[in-house]
Amino acid sequence: EVQLVQSGAEVKKPGESLRISCKGSGYTFSNYWIGWVRQMSGKGLEWMGIIYGRDSDTRYSPSFEGQVLISVDKSINTAYLQWGSLKASDTAMYYCARRGFSSGEAIDIWGQGTMVTVSS
Amino acid sequence: QSALTQPPSASGTPGQRVTISCSGNSSNIGSNFVYWYQHLPGMAPKVVVYRNNQRPSGVPDRFSGSKSGTSASLAIGGLRSEDEADYYCAAWDDSLSGRVVFGGGTKVTVL
Repeated sequence: EVQLVQSGAEVKKPGESLRISCKGSGYTFSNYWIGWVRQMSGKGLEWMGIIYGRDSDTRYSPSFEGQVLISVDKSINTAYLQWGSLKASDTAMYYCARRGFSSGEAIDIWGQGTMVTVSS
Repeated sequence: QSALTQPPSASGTPGQRVTISCSGNSSNIGSNFVYWYQHLPGMAPKVVVYRNNQRPSGVPDRFSGSKSGTSASLAIGGLRSEDEADYYCAAWDDSLSGRVVFGGGTKVTVL
């Protein structure tokens, strides 16, 4: 079964760092792009950025460039989303998602989501 | 403001047909596939239509997608209570070095 399994919910204080993970299984991880999507409470889906499993080529949405770091460890089929200094406004649900293999594809597989709460 | 435009809400009674529209431009819907996702509270989004009009296995044939030019639509026929959810359209966008763009989401209510 093709799936993306994300790390568990996190509760952090403002200024703390955080890395959440997304592990792919059931497919050749390095052949696909993995993206990250934010959903704040009561809001829609926001595209954050994407990384290629084979060579770590990374593209950020302008809204998130410089705010987060997306990385991948292809040896363990895992992608990461990282913050150096969290803010209360980073409180949200974060989904990893696989982009379909062919040109022109959008997201075909979603992770279950990781809830990040930032509060003093 | 979302790159793709959807109505914020749609509704129908059980058994009715509901249609959700999604409007984009030449760099997204006009040149790439459209996907539709069903999103229930507390759950991961689920693909109900991919590549404009294809249904994943397990998705009822009550769900159908279509695309014309820079617009797309999702139809839910024979509406059921379990269809009440948020629905998002999405497409790859060739601008800005590539990204997925989403609609703002449509809340479908079964009356």
